[in-house]
Amino acid sequence: AQKITQTQPGMFVQEKEAVTLDCTYDTSDQSYGLFWYKQPSSGEMIFLIYQGSYDEQNATEGRYSLNFQKARKSANLVISASQLGDSAMYFCAMRDPGGKLIFGQGTELSVKP
Amino acid sequence: GAVVSQHPSRVICKSGTSVKIECRSLDFQATTMFWYRQFPKKSLMLMATSNEGSKATYEQGVEKDKFLINHASLTLSTLTVTSAHPEDSSFYICSARATPYHNRDYNEQFFGPGTRLTVL
Repeated sequence: AQKITQTQPGMFVQEKEAVTLDCTYDTSDQSYGLFWYKQPSSGEMIFLIYQGSYDEQNATEGRYSLNFQKARKSANLVISASQLGDSAMYFCAMRDPGGKLIFGQGTELSVKP
Repeated sequence: GAVVSQHPSRVICKSGTSVKIECRSLDFQATTMFWYRQFPKKSLMLMATSNEGSKATYEQGVEKDKFLINHASLTLSTLTVTSAHPEDSSFYICSARATPYHNRDYNEQFFGPGTRLTVL
């Protein structure tokens, strides 16, 4: 069975600083996809970044980058130059072979001015 | 970009009534839609997978007779909470995955804005 683990229930970061949100996963599949989503207080799920298991380079999208360490089964999200609007819940997710997304427990990020 | 809508965004109902939530893909066709439930400050829990033209596949522990799912077309799936009780109060979110022959990225799921259900 697949599993996603986020061990940081809450994180604080100073505005303009970088922050890393941890995510580890467990799967026996060779082909899988890893996602990060942002969920502000409004509840909408905002897609941030995607990493395929066969992608050799770490994914990047603007201020977001994914530190993919396949051997360690980790897919940490790095947010550079944090902004007040980055305060939200962040979810790591894995897509199983059937297309379902398995979500981690989430990390609540608070950006301090 | 791909847009998924949900209606209503918020609903309050009395215990014992049924509530229908609609999930629509507005600019793409979705053979598969997923329904999630989320409690405050908690993760999204998959309830069921809805495939167009066939019966939904429910996750373990989800009562299929209580949460009725219908995926009648490539752009619409509905979730009906039957005989709702206060413990059914939650945030319900749908997502849609594009068909493999559409020009959308087949790998990506697009989420609706969610429906907040409160059962009194």
